[in-house]
Amino acid sequence: QVQLQESGPQLVKPSETLSLTCTVSGGSINNYYWNWVRQPPGKGLEWIGHIYHTGSTNYSPSLKNRVTISIDASRTQFSLRLTSVTAADTAVYFCASKWELDSWGQGAQVTVSS
Amino acid sequence: QSALAQPASVSGSPGQSITISCTGTSNDVGGYDYVSWYQQHPGKAPKLIIYDVNSRPSGISNRFSGSKSGNTASLTISGLQAEDGAIYHCSSYTGSATVLFGGGTKLTVL
Repeated sequence: QVQLQESGPQLVKPSETLSLTCTVSGGSINNYYWNWVRQPPGKGLEWIGHIYHTGSTNYSPSLKNRVTISIDASRTQFSLRLTSVTAADTAVYFCASKWELDSWGQGAQVTVSS
Repeated sequence: QSALAQPASVSGSPGQSITISCTGTSNDVGGYDYVSWYQQHPGKAPKLIIYDVNSRPSGISNRFSGSKSGNTASLTISGLQAEDGAIYHCSSYTGSATVLFGGGTKLTVL
């Protein structure tokens, strides 16, 4: 199994853009889907979207107008951008591998606050 | 898309068996054999324990099993142990090529 590690700012101001990167190690980024999932405080998991190594993406209908997921296969990284954030976007953000989400990063706490 | 429906909590005594349900629609759980289950302990990342309805990843105990009937998937844990106390999440592939999660079920081992 691969290892995944999220990185990025922990604090984002309202109306600004949240940006996170997931670094994949211990395996190839090719031939698999790479996911972003978030978990607001005290709540369940919410799938944000995923990207195939070719760059093809699928997004949650509730977030698709604000989300962009990109991939840099040469650096074995993929990234999340979420625009126009509000307090409702405060959550732990996880990256995970494959359709079945078989490996997960440890999670990155992101707080939206001025 | 509404979240898949899971009971908020279940409980059982050590050695017993419990079952957690995950109800969706014909556009997700009922339409595809791509249901997964995850175990999450407090402050930790979720861990895959069942995929493709009833397959276990390497290293997952055979005390965990999955099944599906119609629009409802189920996770059964047999021979409950104290360390099984956690939150369990289900997920399903959908007809829109997206992934949908349930709200999570807290398992308390009495």
